[in-house]
Amino acid sequence: KAGVTQTPRYLIKTRGQQVTLSCSPISGHRSVSWYQQTPGQGLQFLFEYFSETQRNKGNFPGRFSGRQFSNSRSEMNVSTLELGDSALYLCASSASGANTEAFFGQGTRLTVV
Amino acid sequence: GQQVMQIPQYQHVQEGEDFTTYCNSSTTLSNIQWYKQRPGGHPVFLIQLVKSGEVKKQKRLTFQFGEAKKNSSLHITATQTTDVGTYFCVNGGGGNKLTFGTGTQLKVEL
Repeated sequence: KAGVTQTPRYLIKTRGQQVTLSCSPISGHRSVSWYQQTPGQGLQFLFEYFSETQRNKGNFPGRFSGRQFSNSRSEMNVSTLELGDSALYLCASSASGANTEAFFGQGTRLTVV
Repeated sequence: GQQVMQIPQYQHVQEGEDFTTYCNSSTTLSNIQWYKQRPGGHPVFLIQLVKSGEVKKQKRLTFQFGEAKKNSSLHITATQTTDVGTYFCVNGGGGNKLTFGTGTQLKVEL
């Protein structure tokens, strides 16, 4: 069974630009969550999508948004990039339900210059 | 918001020594999951504890959930170099929202 796939693996963007990251969950998993990991703030929850609906949202500004498609693939978008958005963005997929094991992708390393 | 603190932040041990990381929350936790992240890698699920006072073992790893469900611990017996990484305790919230603890980075020296 293929794992969680995130693309691209690395990205360099300029302040003010926008970026879209992609996540393909494990086949059959309907829940996709996004996390931001930085040395200073650790691992922070961004949002969770389940069956194309945002089910949970973390404490991030509106510049961070996401969506999920009917095939459970998910994208997250960050607009008007700031230097502080430089981070490892991790996607995790889970089987239906709540409080189930999360399977993480390798992440997308975003650098904003 | 809910915060899950872990101590210590860093731990250096000699191979063969034991290691313990502690996780504390100011609020009652519905459950605790533990994840390991190797350097340059992504978090990998280790285990989930749900019941008050629950203890689970995986080979050299022992996980415990406190009686009040406000703390948890992970103990590794006789560490090996393969144990290197950061260990996170995680609270599962509504849906599949995970609140990660601050993490304990373990380094094992030969």
